[in-house]
Amino acid sequence: QLQLQESGPGLVKPSETLSLTCTVSGGSINNSPYYWGWIRQPPGKGLEWIGNVYYSGTTYYNPSLKSRVTISVDTSKNQFSLKLNSVTAADTAVYYCARDRSSGPYRDWGQGTLVTVSS
Amino acid sequence: DIQMTQSPSTLSASVGDRVTITCRASQSVNSWLAWYQQKPGIAPKLLVYKASYLEIGVPSRFSGSGSGTEFTLTISSLQPDDSATYFCLQYNSYSSWTFGQGTKVEIK
Repeated sequence: QLQLQESGPGLVKPSETLSLTCTVSGGSINNSPYYWGWIRQPPGKGLEWIGNVYYSGTTYYNPSLKSRVTISVDTSKNQFSLKLNSVTAADTAVYYCARDRSSGPYRDWGQGTLVTVSS
Repeated sequence: DIQMTQSPSTLSASVGDRVTITCRASQSVNSWLAWYQQKPGIAPKLLVYKASYLEIGVPSRFSGSGSGTEFTLTISSLQPDDSATYFCLQYNSYSSWTFGQGTKVEIK
């Protein structure tokens, strides 16, 4: 059974870089026909798509975040990662990693991790 | 960018009622539209993909319809367990996906 687990600091200072990793178990990222994604949800608000990455390293980003976001994949560790630089309080959110259902929407999700931006 | 407008933002209905939630896209997304259910503190759960295909294990009281720019999620007979927030997601192109703002469904 596929499992995804987000990990990383729960507190980041303003202007610094938020870094999260999603570790995949029960399935391989390498050569898989799926896109792996990051989504966030500010407390009490809706979902925001951050971006997707393919095992080959091909990435797609939300245009509103594109200048600050990098998503990468490490197939040797079966992980993919999110970096968001120059963070502000508006980036405080629960961050989810997820896998799509192959040419489809996200089906499998991590449990989410709360990242707070505060000094 | 494709914008998704979801309505209503909240609704209150009784057990057994038929409930409909709508998502409108700012341009055609063909049938690349999904619906999710989210309960507090839990990751979203996929209910419907490709506008009308029910994900395995989802109760048959849920159904999706529509194409192009207008889509609906219908709960044919509302159950207490359906109290949640529902989101649509357009995934017409891998280069840009967009969620709707969400609809909170409350049981009277």
